[in-house]
Amino acid sequence: AQTVTQSQPEMSVQEAETVTLSCTYDTSESNYYLFWYKQPPSRQMILVIRQEAYKQQNATENRFSVNFQKAAKSFSLKISDSQLGDTAMYFCAFIGAASGSRLTFGEGTQLTVNP
Amino acid sequence: EAGVAQSPRYKIIEKRQSVAFWCNPISGHATLYWYQQILGQGPKLLIQFQNNGVVDDSQLPKDRFSAERLKGVDSTLKIQPAKLEDSAVYLCASSFDRYYGYTFGSGTRLTVV
Repeated sequence: AQTVTQSQPEMSVQEAETVTLSCTYDTSESNYYLFWYKQPPSRQMILVIRQEAYKQQNATENRFSVNFQKAAKSFSLKISDSQLGDTAMYFCAFIGAASGSRLTFGEGTQLTVNP
Repeated sequence: EAGVAQSPRYKIIEKRQSVAFWCNPISGHATLYWYQQILGQGPKLLIQFQNNGVVDDSQLPKDRFSAERLKGVDSTLKIQPAKLEDSAVYLCASSFDRYYGYTFGSGTRLTVV
């Protein structure tokens, strides 16, 4: 079974600064997909960024980028130029390529962006 | 495209009562998921449908929870009878290709008193 661990329950950052959220995972599969989701107070989970394990290049989406270290099973999210609207819970998630694999979430990190 | 629709948004019931949640996925998404998110935790999969067939219900408490997806579109999740520990947000999601991520609805916050 896969597990996803987020070791930072809460983080805060000043507006316009950069913050990095950590995530580690455990799996025996060689091919899989990793995601970061954002959940604002509205409760809707919003996909922020996606990484395919067989791609060495780190994914980027505007101000959001990841540092994917496959050997270390680490998948951190970097938010540059933080904005007040980035305040939310952030969840790391994993799904294996094997048939029957389910999307598994970490416990989340509450990020607060301060003005 | 329209998002995943869920209703109701909030529900408060007494323990031992029954409750039902409704979900309408994105048109064309064959796979539908129900997740339970207890306060302070990550979402946990309850059940997964492919069209109108169940793919994974291994974490569904079948003595009290049931779900159906008629005609491979809308889905309902029912709890009967509810317990205090069922208080949570129930999220519905759908996907066209699961490896590209799921699209979630806004969830139903259930409070059992």
